[in-house]
Amino acid sequence: QLQLQESGPGLVKPSETLSLSCTVSGGSISSGYYWGWIRQPPGKGLEWIGSIFYSGTTTSYNPSLKSRVTISVDPSKNHFSLKLSSVTAADTAIYYCARPAAGTLGWFDPWGQGTLVTVSS
Amino acid sequence: EIVLTQSPGTLSLSPGERATLSCRASQSVTSTYLAWYQQKPGQAPRLLIYGAFSRAAGIPDRFSGSGSGTDFTLTISRLEPEDFAVYYCQQYGSSPATFGPGTKVDIK
Repeated sequence: QLQLQESGPGLVKPSETLSLSCTVSGGSISSGYYWGWIRQPPGKGLEWIGSIFYSGTTTSYNPSLKSRVTISVDPSKNHFSLKLSSVTAADTAIYYCARPAAGTLGWFDPWGQGTLVTVSS
Repeated sequence: EIVLTQSPGTLSLSPGERATLSCRASQSVTSTYLAWYQQKPGQAPRLLIYGAFSRAAGIPDRFSGSGSGTDFTLTISRLEPEDFAVYYCQQYGSSPATFGPGTKVDIK
């Protein structure tokens, strides 16, 4: 059964870069799928951040975050990563990694359990 | 981008009752590319429905989806205690993928 697990610092200072990883287990990240990130501010709704093809050749980002986001993939470690630069308090959220079922978009399944990242000095 | 609106914001019902949740899109959703998720406190969203009406693996048949164009519905035929949660719709027909604000189904 495919499982995803996020990891990374839970606290990031304003103006710095948020960095998270998502480790895939129970299957290969190179199985031909895309992989994505979604976030959810505490008590609020969901926002798609972006997705990447397993080979790293194609990425797609939400225009609202595109200037600050980089998603990369490391097949040798069976994981993919998120970097979000110049963070502010508005970037405080639970960050989920998930697999979009069809292309860069699609429905998302499965999801990681999520990791809370707080932006604060 | 396509904006999704969900109604009602909160639905207060009793176990055994029928729940009808609405998701309306600001423009037509391509090819019924709409999904529904259930989220419980402290958990990640769980896929229920994709393609507007196809149930995900392991989802009970009391959950059903319908609709097309700009109007979609998630129906829970008979609420079980474990169904009280927040439900989100998501469109994936055009980029960026977007989610609705959610409908909370709570116990009356």
